[in-house]
Amino acid sequence: KNQVEQSPQSLIILEGKNCTLQCNYTVSPFSNLRWYKQDTGRGPVSLTIMTFSENTKSNGRYTATLDADTKQSSLHITASQLSDSASYICVVSAGRFPTGGGNKLTFGTGTQLKVEL
Amino acid sequence: DVKVTQSSRYLVKRTGEKVFLECVQDMDHENMFWYRQDPGLGLRLIYFSYDVKMKEKGDIPEGYSVSREKKERFSLILESASTNQTSMYLCASSSPRLAGRGETQYFGPGTRLLVL
Repeated sequence: KNQVEQSPQSLIILEGKNCTLQCNYTVSPFSNLRWYKQDTGRGPVSLTIMTFSENTKSNGRYTATLDADTKQSSLHITASQLSDSASYICVVSAGRFPTGGGNKLTFGTGTQLKVEL
Repeated sequence: DVKVTQSSRYLVKRTGEKVFLECVQDMDHENMFWYRQDPGLGLRLIYFSYDVKMKEKGDIPEGYSVSREKKERFSLILESASTNQTSMYLCASSSPRLAGRGETQYFGPGTRLLVL
């Protein structure tokens, strides 16, 4: 069974500090891995995507890493801001549906990040 | 920018009622999806559609049906709502024409449904 596990479940940090969120997955076959940000009461928004051959991808203050051998990914947030308070969801694609109707995704349960003054 | 809208942000229904959740996307995407999101569980796929009038069951289709009569609109139907269907429902869309970007799924804001 395909699974995505994230840690920690929740995290509180002070504004300006850095933090790292973890994602471990057992998804086969592996196609790509994304990190999504979900603000409270809103739908998830894609931050980064990495394929098998990529081991790092940045999007502003967000840097994602991927180790396909150990099936681990991390999301590093630099110089956190209050607006970074959200749930961060790791999503792994196991390729396309047989009908071709998009990618078959397995979602982690998310890390709830709170940034405080 | 892709815009995915959902007809309601909050809904309160009674057990046994028929419930319609509507989703509209404005980017001419072929694929549309319905998920539910519950605390402690990741998003789970209910149904998806890869073309008008075409649909496929996801991981948890029981108690739900869908309709896609137009490309831009995808409806989720709860034939007889039950309390265990209280959840956040998220609609998403994607296009294989954008597969170079890993065929990103773009999500709507969600509908929080409470069944009493």
